[in-house]
Amino acid sequence: GAVVSQHPSRVICKSGTSVKIECRSLDFQATTMFWYRQFPKQSLMLMATSNEGSKATYEQGVEKDKFLINHASLTLSTLTVTSAHPEDSSFYICSARDPSGASGVTSYEQYFGPGTRLTVT
Amino acid sequence: LAKTTQPISMDSYEGQEVNITCSHNNIATNDYITWYQQFPSQGPRFIIQGYKTKVTNEVASLFIPADRKSSTLSLPRVSLSDTAVYYCLARTSGTYKYIFGTGTRLKVLA
Repeated sequence: GAVVSQHPSRVICKSGTSVKIECRSLDFQATTMFWYRQFPKQSLMLMATSNEGSKATYEQGVEKDKFLINHASLTLSTLTVTSAHPEDSSFYICSARDPSGASGVTSYEQYFGPGTRLTVT
Repeated sequence: LAKTTQPISMDSYEGQEVNITCSHNNIATNDYITWYQQFPSQGPRFIIQGYKTKVTNEVASLFIPADRKSSTLSLPRVSLSDTAVYYCLARTSGTYKYIFGTGTRLKVLA
């Protein structure tokens, strides 16, 4: 099956610093990757959609200058949280889309990474 | 505005069948509905995916009515290890944005 990894699995950083999270598709090429954020006891919220070789599309309310996304290859996307603050502490999860599907129906499946726990002190 | 809602929580005993329904009132007509399981501090794990009517795999069944305004995940004979949060996922009509359901916290009791 398709495997997606994230690194690091957890990170603690000081307020005002930046932290980079990597998302890799290990055994398939992902034309699209998604970044989600999940606060405790809440659902996953889509932050942005990242297409290889082009600029990411951010959801409403997500600051693109604060959450920098780079999708430079078909197997790697990075999320950089710049000038992190305690309210950015969250569980960040990426997913990757494997380009396959039945004719006439969009059946792209998202394969999720294990998540990265960010704590900003 | 598309909303995807689920019951907040459910309790069940081992060996029972559990049905979790997701209401999605405005989803894309040409895309699948997917259900995931999530354990604490882990990424979502794929359970099942369907487009219409009924789909069954080795772990679950998924029922989707013709109007696709809801979907029901059925877990046969749950065990303690099925205690987790379950989410539906679909794309909204028009904008084709992925939106997760609100999640259902299932607790399986011995």
